[in-house]
Amino acid sequence: AQSVTQLDSHVSVSEGTPVLLRCNYSSSYSPSLFWYVQHPNKGLQLLLKYTSAATLVKGINGFEAEFKKSETSFHLTKPSAHMSDAAEYFCVVSETRGYQKVTFGTGTKLQVIP
Amino acid sequence: DAGITQSPRYKITETGRQVTLMCHQTWSHSYMFWYRQDLGHGLRLIYYSAAADITDKGEVPDGYVVSRSKTENFPLTLESATRSQTSVYFCASSESARGNGSPLHFGNGTRLTVT
Repeated sequence: AQSVTQLDSHVSVSEGTPVLLRCNYSSSYSPSLFWYVQHPNKGLQLLLKYTSAATLVKGINGFEAEFKKSETSFHLTKPSAHMSDAAEYFCVVSETRGYQKVTFGTGTKLQVIP
Repeated sequence: DAGITQSPRYKITETGRQVTLMCHQTWSHSYMFWYRQDLGHGLRLIYYSAAADITDKGEVPDGYVVSRSKTENFPLTLESATRSQTSVYFCASSESARGNGSPLHFGNGTRLTVT
């Protein structure tokens, strides 16, 4: 069965400090993994994706994520938080077995303190 | 403009009324999806479509109907709206189900309130 667990529902960081948003997944196959960001009253925007190439994936706005198969993790990081990073972040796992099955995590709200 | 557009952005309706939410994409993506987003539940899949005239139920399909006569359109109909269907609805599309690497592209959502 496919599942995604985002380990923190809320994360608070000070502006200029590192960001770590944690995600663990479960999949019977070799999945693709994604991180999306949602700003208030907006749709979800793709930050980055992992599709079995390099395990360290770079995305937009300075974010990156590392795929660790042994730990079944796909944590999202950024070296220095900016006020504009305040949003909700979703970790997503996708498998294709006849049809595309996509499972979303429950989201992590990132607060950035000035 | 290329992309995925949803209409209306906001809708208020009364219990028992029929409501249709529209979704249009300009990429000719094969897959389209409808999700609802509720506090405490994250995003839940209502229906998806692999191609024109091919649709299937997701996690929470009861009370909803979809159709896909054309690749670019995927309307969602609430046949008889209930208060529990008050939510934000997101439409998404995906280029292909071949291989896992196709991300979903989302519209900006429709905020539906059922009174």
